[in-house]
Amino acid sequence: AQSVAQPEDQVKVAEGNPLTVKCTYSVSGNPYLFWYVQYPNRGLQFLLKYITGDNLVKGSYGFEAEFNKSQTSFHLKKPSALVSDSALYFCAVRDRGSTLGRLYFGRGTQLTVWP
Amino acid sequence: GAGVSQSPRYKVAKRGQDVALRCDPISGHVSLFWYQQALGQGPEFLTYFQNEAQLDKSGLPSDRFFAERPEGSVSTLKIQRTQQEDSAVYLCASSFSRGDRAFFGQGTRLTVV
Repeated sequence: AQSVAQPEDQVKVAEGNPLTVKCTYSVSGNPYLFWYVQYPNRGLQFLLKYITGDNLVKGSYGFEAEFNKSQTSFHLKKPSALVSDSALYFCAVRDRGSTLGRLYFGRGTQLTVWP
Repeated sequence: GAGVSQSPRYKVAKRGQDVALRCDPISGHVSLFWYQQALGQGPEFLTYFQNEAQLDKSGLPSDRFFAERPEGSVSTLKIQRTQQEDSAVYLCASSFSRGDRAFFGQGTRLTVV
């Protein structure tokens, strides 16, 4: 069975500080990994994905994520947070071997960046 | 259009009513997904279409839920005899192929009273 865990419901950081939003996963095979962001009254927006290759993936708005196969983690990071980064962040996985393409999401982590 | 469009944005239904939620995917996108997002939760998969074929409906919670995509573009999610537990945001997503990144609509917030 596939599952995604985001152990922190909330993350709060000061503007300019680095941020990390954690994600661990459990899949039966090798996964595709994704991060999405959700702003109030807006749909999920794609940030980045890991398919293969370099374990450090760079995405939109200065975000990056590090794939760690041994720890089955895919933490989202940003070197310097902005107030505008405040939003709800979702980690998601897809089974590489599946022909169907469905995503399994975590519960989400609310990021608050204060000025 | 430029993105995935869903309508209505908000729907209030009395318990027992039938509702229909519409999704207009990005033109040319073959794959279409429906997800249900309860308050405080991540999206949960409902069903998947490849063109007009419904290839996976394993996430539909009951036989009151029905989805269709008859011409391989617009899709409708229908919920019959709505119950309070159906209250959620229903998200539609489309992608060029099943392996490509998914683009999400803004969702329809359904409230059953």
